[in-house]
Amino acid sequence: EPEVTQTPSHQVTQMGQEVILRCVPISNHLYFYWYRQILGQKVEFLVSFYNNEISEKSEIFDDQFSVERPDGSNFTLKIRSTKLEDSAMYFCASRGGEESPLHFGNGTRLTVT
Amino acid sequence: QKEVEQNSGPLSVPEGAIASLNCTYSDRVSQSFFWYRQYSGKSPELIMSIYSNGDKEDGRFTAQLNKASQYVSLLIRDSQPSDSATYLCAVTPPGRRALTFGSGTRLQVQP
Repeated sequence: EPEVTQTPSHQVTQMGQEVILRCVPISNHLYFYWYRQILGQKVEFLVSFYNNEISEKSEIFDDQFSVERPDGSNFTLKIRSTKLEDSAMYFCASRGGEESPLHFGNGTRLTVT
Repeated sequence: QKEVEQNSGPLSVPEGAIASLNCTYSDRVSQSFFWYRQYSGKSPELIMSIYSNGDKEDGRFTAQLNKASQYVSLLIRDSQPSDSATYLCAVTPPGRRALTFGSGTRLQVQP
């Protein structure tokens, strides 16, 4: 069964550094998402991406965040200058249709020190 | 008012019993509803999707949707210790593409 792939599984970075989290969505899916989950808290929406542009973003997704689909397979989340409070599990997800279920990757655990 | 509300639990049931998990949502015209299971430290895993009023069964799982009451539930029959996890309810609010998640209900199935 096709799956969403995320790399790396764990990223440790120092405060103020830039990080790029990488995702390969399921190949025939059209809608791509980033969510995050701070330890012990709920899964929170960050941004959705469709037709090569951001279709929706949350208040969390400020100017420090950006997304890109640099080629036909990868989907990346960049955090320009990480803060301690960015420490969380970041999940990439994709779906084939607008009402279809989201399929999640295994996540990247980001630790900012 | 939270968009999607769940009792955080833990909900403890004996092995073999029926576990009943509940979720309410705030926007009456929400259209699509999902249940995910999340083991500690892992990603959400889809269990069921439901789009219309009534029941939908898949193996040991039954999702129930009542749009008039803004209520969606998940029944797990013959609960197993491996079902012990956090169950997340997710809703697509109208006019949006992103799913909004509840905080989840932790289920413990006692052997």
